Amino acid sequence: AQSVTQLGSHVSVSEGALVLLRCNYSSSVPPYLFWYVQYPNQGLQLLLKYTSAATLVKGINGFEAEFKKSETSFHLTKPSAHMSDAAEYFCAVKKLNFGNEKLTFGTGTRLTIIP
Amino acid sequence: DAGVIQSPRHEVTEMGQEVTLRCKPISGHNSLFWYRQTMMRGLELLIYFNNNVPIDDSGMPEDRFSAKMPNASFSTLKIQPSEPRDSAVYFCASSFRLAEEGSYEQYFGPGTRLTVT
Repeated sequence: AQSVTQLGSHVSVSEGALVLLRCNYSSSVPPYLFWYVQYPNQGLQLLLKYTSAATLVKGINGFEAEFKKSETSFHLTKPSAHMSDAAEYFCAVKKLNFGNEKLTFGTGTRLTIIP
Repeated sequence: DAGVIQSPRHEVTEMGQEVTLRCKPISGHNSLFWYRQTMMRGLELLIYFNNNVPIDDSGMPEDRFSAKMPNASFSTLKIQPSEPRDSAVYFCASSFRLAEEGSYEQYFGPGTRLTVT
């Protein structure tokens, strides 16, 4: 069964510093991969997605992620953290086959920005 | 455009009572998903529909939970009878499924926070 592992349930970075949130997937074939963000008391919002096109994916709010098949990773980065980036981030995977709509989410990483 | 709409946003009920959560997906979307989020178990998919038909309900915890989608613009998740362990945030999400390629991103509603005392 496919799954995602997010390393680090809590990450703290200083404002202006690099943000790196880690996600590794397990799948026999490269899947579709997603990063979602959840602000307090809100639903999840899509940040970016990988669907077997370009391996470097750019998303909203200055975030990007790189798909690395050799490492089975899809880490999320942002060059310079902003206070508004404080939220919980979820990596998700979907099997690359027609008919399967299910997303499997990681356990989430709570990002704290230090002023 | 309106996103996914869920009601109520908050629900407090006593154990044993029936609870009905409601969802209106984004217009034009043909897949709808119900999730439950708790601290202990994270985000779990309960059930999803495509073209108003339930496709996978393997995540529904037990017979106390039921979901319906009578038309393309409305779905309900019912818990009867409710128990304290059902306390969670319940999210509805919708997406558009392409016949040739399957669907991609899901758009989430704001959630319903359910507290069962």
